[in-house]
Amino acid sequence: GAGVSQSPRYKVAKRGQDVALRCDPISGHVSLFWYQQALGQGPEFLTYFQNEAQLDKSGLPSDRFFAERPEGSVSTLKIQRTQQEDSAVYLCASSLVESGGFTGELFFGEGSRLTVL
Amino acid sequence: GQNIDQPTEMTATEGAIVQINCTYQTSGFNGLFWYQQHAGEAPTFLSYNVLDGLEEKGRFSSFLSRSKGYSYLLLKELQMKDSASYLCAVTDSNYQLIWGAGTKLIIKP
Repeated sequence: GAGVSQSPRYKVAKRGQDVALRCDPISGHVSLFWYQQALGQGPEFLTYFQNEAQLDKSGLPSDRFFAERPEGSVSTLKIQRTQQEDSAVYLCASSLVESGGFTGELFFGEGSRLTVL
Repeated sequence: GQNIDQPTEMTATEGAIVQINCTYQTSGFNGLFWYQQHAGEAPTFLSYNVLDGLEEKGRFSSFLSRSKGYSYLLLKELQMKDSASYLCAVTDSNYQLIWGAGTKLIIKP
């Protein structure tokens, strides 16, 4: 497709369960970002990839959060032993330009809404 | 710390004009973005300002004053479909995007 694709759109997990969220960015986009968005809030930065390299993971809230982009295209955000406070929308965005010198428009996916019971 | 402030909610009438303000305090500045986000949907790009002044794009305009740490988004000839959240985001000295919480705009007939 032409846009950023995320799956699943909706995920309900029991507390303690592991989840994996997938992002398929626009083909050829170098930069890929993961954000967490709580209801009524702006996106909060989680992590950033430039191609396959994870250059910034300073926003990951704990070591239960892990992200990868092994071939520089599709990325997966994994959350281990989910907690109720992990409930949020997880947005993926990609950009054609590199973050160093970032002035580029971000293209967002529709997000994965995670609900932890 | 880094901070972006914008009103939580605004209400306007169809056909009217509305101005959504954004003030920022960040470590450095490399540009300011406005995004539109309809409920349950992804944010979509509206505008980018890096120099002072007004950028006009159809019914939407965005203004920036770097010395004042201030921007506004101006929406003219409001339509019901403009009901959405409007997010202000600033790129800091590390080229990190810092996001505001968004302004929910409600359009009434």
